[in-house]
Amino acid sequence: DVKVTQSSRYLVKRTGEKVFLECVQDMDHENMFWYRQDPGLGLRLIYFSYDVKMKEKGDIPEGYSVSREKKERFSLILESASTNQTSMYLCASSDTGSNTGELFFGEGSRLTVL
Amino acid sequence: RKEVEQDPGPFNVPEGATVAFNCTYSNSASQSFFWYRQDCRKEPKLLMSVYSSGNEDGRFTAQLNRASQYISLLIRDSKLSDSATYLCVVTPGTGFQKLVFGTGTRLLVSP
Repeated sequence: DVKVTQSSRYLVKRTGEKVFLECVQDMDHENMFWYRQDPGLGLRLIYFSYDVKMKEKGDIPEGYSVSREKKERFSLILESASTNQTSMYLCASSDTGSNTGELFFGEGSRLTVL
Repeated sequence: RKEVEQDPGPFNVPEGATVAFNCTYSNSASQSFFWYRQDCRKEPKLLMSVYSSGNEDGRFTAQLNRASQYISLLIRDSKLSDSATYLCVVTPGTGFQKLVFGTGTRLLVSP
């Protein structure tokens, strides 16, 4: 079974803190993604990576950065957390060779910024 | 206009009912279409791909209408376990790296 593991299910941080969200996948997938999900807005792509050390901006990259030093790990960084970054963060991976591009998601990290 | 639009629902149906959801997309160059299912407080999972010729998987049928730019999902003989949010997903062009998600349609199946 494909497994995408997010390091923290629930986090509470204060405004201005630096936040790291870690994601690890065990299926040797080339592509990894970070989404945030908010009520009424659905899933929105923050960043994605199609290879080690490669990254591409998604639709809402402002206030975020990412790191992909190893194929299996994709980290999302909030340099200075703000209250409008309170959200559910979902990491996903996919296989470039897949004929469906199926995304496999982690269980999500619910971040609250006070 | 949103790239992918869905009726948020909820659709409340009794067990055994047939229910259908539509999803419209704005980019006529969109190539690939999918339905994902998301249970409450869980991550989304692929339910089925949507092919030009339509496709069926057990009680679920998905169809694509390129002329009118919508896809549909039909669920027959609804089960309590079908209660979930159904997300319409579209790729804006070729390749799968940037999927665009709809906000989802919530289905509640009652006894």
